[in-house]
Amino acid sequence: SAVISQKPSRDICQRGTSLTIQCQVDSQVTMMFWYRQQPGQSLTLIATANQGSEATYESGFVIDKFPISRPNLTFSTLTVSNMSPEDSSIYLCSGQGQASGGYTFGSGTRLTVV
Amino acid sequence: GIQVEQSPPDLILQEGANSTLRCNFSDSVNNLQWFHQNPWGQLINLFYIPSGTKQNGRLSATTVATERYSLLYISSSQTTDSGVYFCAVGYNFNKFYFGSGTKLNVKP
Repeated sequence: SAVISQKPSRDICQRGTSLTIQCQVDSQVTMMFWYRQQPGQSLTLIATANQGSEATYESGFVIDKFPISRPNLTFSTLTVSNMSPEDSSIYLCSGQGQASGGYTFGSGTRLTVV
Repeated sequence: GIQVEQSPPDLILQEGANSTLRCNFSDSVNNLQWFHQNPWGQLINLFYIPSGTKQNGRLSATTVATERYSLLYISSSQTTDSGVYFCAVGYNFNKFYFGSGTKLNVKP
């Protein structure tokens, strides 16, 4: 299966600032996905990132707040902009592994906004 | 979107006990995975099982796609099995829908 390296693993940020999360995949993947997991909740899809086109955002998520880049088939970034304490969550990236292996996930970024 | 329901929401076991976790989904899928989220938040892929039965050590899973459910079996549970178990489903590797999870606590 594909291996996804995600960083940072955790961060504590001041409100009003922005944080960029990076995901590097060890093989090419067509689609990458970004999820948010609020405390005690399940995972919610933020957006789908395709190389060479704008990301597709789910209802309730907007590009100004969560800009995404996908410069090639092995890398993507998610920026959490103008953060507030409500953005405190775990953020995870995901990509399709081998055709028979399903999705694989990065190790997550635990974000705390103070 | 596809609705995914997991049961039970919480489960407390004594070490060595067996358990069955269930995942029901509302539509046809050709991708189903079970994940274990450890206390550090890392999501570990347990099974990719859109249909049929698989086994990996003390864990096994069965998906009956025509009846829209999947089961995860944990035998001889250990304290390291504690955490949250998620079922997630999708179609053609597009959007992936997660259930609300089963929180498992295995006591020594």
